[in-house]
Amino acid sequence: DAGITQSPRHKVTETGTPVTLRCHQTENHRYMYWYRQDPGHGLRLIHYSYGVKDTDKGEVSDGYSVSRSKTEDFLLTLESATSSQTSVYFCAISESGGRGQETQYFGPGTRLLVL
Amino acid sequence: DAKTTQPTSMDCAEGRAANLPCNHSTISGNEYVYWYRQIHSQGPQYIIHGLKNNETNEMASLIITEDRKSSTLILPHATLRDTAVYYCIVRVANKGSSNTGKLIFGQGTTLQVKP
Repeated sequence: DAGITQSPRHKVTETGTPVTLRCHQTENHRYMYWYRQDPGHGLRLIHYSYGVKDTDKGEVSDGYSVSRSKTEDFLLTLESATSSQTSVYFCAISESGGRGQETQYFGPGTRLLVL
Repeated sequence: DAKTTQPTSMDCAEGRAANLPCNHSTISGNEYVYWYRQIHSQGPQYIIHGLKNNETNEMASLIITEDRKSSTLILPHATLRDTAVYYCIVRVANKGSSNTGKLIFGQGTTLQVKP
């Protein structure tokens, strides 16, 4: 299994509070992704990173920000959590980011409940 | 990226082969077919991918029709641990800088392996 960890694995928070989720990899892969998974929607891309300090938005980026100060860490921040951000969040990594054949490896997920 | 169509659910007897179909009639010549699966409460797991030729690895075989409009994932000897949602994804191998590498997950096929 790819060396990807996510923390925390579970979190309950209140509306309006800031939340930061961490993804850590030991594979030295260049590309990292944050997805959310909700019933009826499958997995949707929030933000991704193609290198240290290089990030871009995905299809559902509103209300989220990310940072990548080191190759191994990709942080997802909810500046002011809302109930619509209750979801399961998955981090993924890949070597080539879609150029040529490549696969993405996913972390175990973080379950976030916003009350 | 081309859309895919998969049956919502399938059953398979333990020890028998599981054949999971996927239609991708609008696939382009430079798009690969990827298969992932997601066991309950876990992150998606890469299984196999291919372009034109049939592929086999330690987990499964991928059969792609000659016109590439459909494919079949084969789990040769299904076990109870293969019970999961299986996703068929087609994605271009983009050499440009604009490709995020994101994976578009549909609803997938829920495979239930029964004793």
